[in-house]
Amino acid sequence: AIQLTQSPSSLSASVGDRVTITCRPSQGISSALAWYQQEPGKAPKLLIYDASSLDSGVPSRFSGSGSGTDFTLTISSLQPEDFATYYCQQFNNYPLTFGGGTKVEIK
Amino acid sequence: QVQLVESGGGVVQPGRSLRLSCAASGFTFSNYGMHWVRQAPGKGLEWVAVIWYDGSNKYYADSVKGRFTISRDYSKNTLYLQMNSLRAEDTAVYYCAREARRDGYIRTIFDYWGQGTVVTVSS
Repeated sequence: AIQLTQSPSSLSASVGDRVTITCRPSQGISSALAWYQQEPGKAPKLLIYDASSLDSGVPSRFSGSGSGTDFTLTISSLQPEDFATYYCQQFNNYPLTFGGGTKVEIK
Repeated sequence: QVQLVESGGGVVQPGRSLRLSCAASGFTFSNYGMHWVRQAPGKGLEWVAVIWYDGSNKYYADSVKGRFTISRDYSKNTLYLQMNSLRAEDTAVYYCAREARRDGYIRTIFDYWGQGTVVTVSS
């Protein structure tokens, strides 16, 4: 199974900060990567697919980049509603796998 | 609007069985692959199983292979997860999720999720 290593596992940031989260697969997955946001007690929400495509309705402050074995999720200017946990997911092959998550907390 | 509503969770003893259901509405159920994803308390997301849109293929995580069975009933627009030989480590919130179609292509990612149903395996 492809392992996804997310870093950092948590971070503290202020409103307006630029935040970057990385996801590194244990083997190359082309662009078969998605990013999700999960608020406490809620189901995850799809943000990005195909590594860099913004899903419908997702604010443009979110962006994704990368391919192969190195991916990044960037929030250009952190908003209060962005404090949540973020997960990457590979869909290159089965079994589908998720990263361990990055919890973004208020500084 | 798309809705996925899970049910069937509860407290069960180790070694026993449980069947989860996910009632789907607001979309053509037979056109989409459907998945189960779980989340243990305080932990991350773990993909569990998939059944293709036409039921022709099913895949499982190694952690549940041979114990869990995914199925679907097109007449009831319902997805199921039969869980046998349950273990303490199966304790989690279980979500059903719909596979996404983007730019005309199926992506094995999840654009709609249910609210989750809690399974607790404990003696």
